[in-house]
Amino acid sequence: DVKVTQSSRYLVKRTGEKVFLECVQDMDHENMFWYRQDPGLGLRLIYFSYDVKMKEKGDIPEGYSVSREKKERFSLILESASTNQTSMYLCASSLGTSGGVEQYFGPGTRLTVT
Amino acid sequence: GENVEQHPSTLSVQEGDSAVIKCTYSDSASNYFPWYKQELGKGPQLIIDIRSNVGEKKDQRIAVTLNKTAKHFSLHITETQPEDSAVYFCAASNDRGSTLGRLYFGRGTQLTVWP
Repeated sequence: DVKVTQSSRYLVKRTGEKVFLECVQDMDHENMFWYRQDPGLGLRLIYFSYDVKMKEKGDIPEGYSVSREKKERFSLILESASTNQTSMYLCASSLGTSGGVEQYFGPGTRLTVT
Repeated sequence: GENVEQHPSTLSVQEGDSAVIKCTYSDSASNYFPWYKQELGKGPQLIIDIRSNVGEKKDQRIAVTLNKTAKHFSLHITETQPEDSAVYFCAASNDRGSTLGRLYFGRGTQLTVWP
């Protein structure tokens, strides 16, 4: 079974802090994604990556950056956390060009910025 | 880009009744339409999907229909059970386009099944 793990289930940070959210997948997937989930707004794509060191902006990239130094790991970075970044963050991965677009999700990280 | 709209946002049904969730999409190049179920405290999980060369697909109590002409697709759950209570997301994708692998999600439907 595909497993996508996220470094924390719950995180509380202060305004202005630099925040790292880590995601690891164990199935050699090419594609990885970061979403945020807010009530009534569904899943909004922040950034995605097709390959190591490669990244593409999603629909709401402002205030975020990403890093993919290894194929299995995709990190989301909040350079200076703000209260409007309080949200549930979901990581996902998919096989990519070789095998399809089904996305497998991690359990999510609920981030609170105070 | 693709725009996916999903209705209703909330749906309450009695156990044993059927539930239907509808989605529309805007990009005629989309050819893959998955449905995800998100239980409380978990990430979304794929429950069924359909490709544009198929009009209907069934898996036990769940079925998905696709109308390419009208650009809409629907999820049907029959004989609902309390464990069907969850948030359901539809999505659309063009798996041959430049945004290979990206899914465009609807806003979700909170389904509650009352015993």
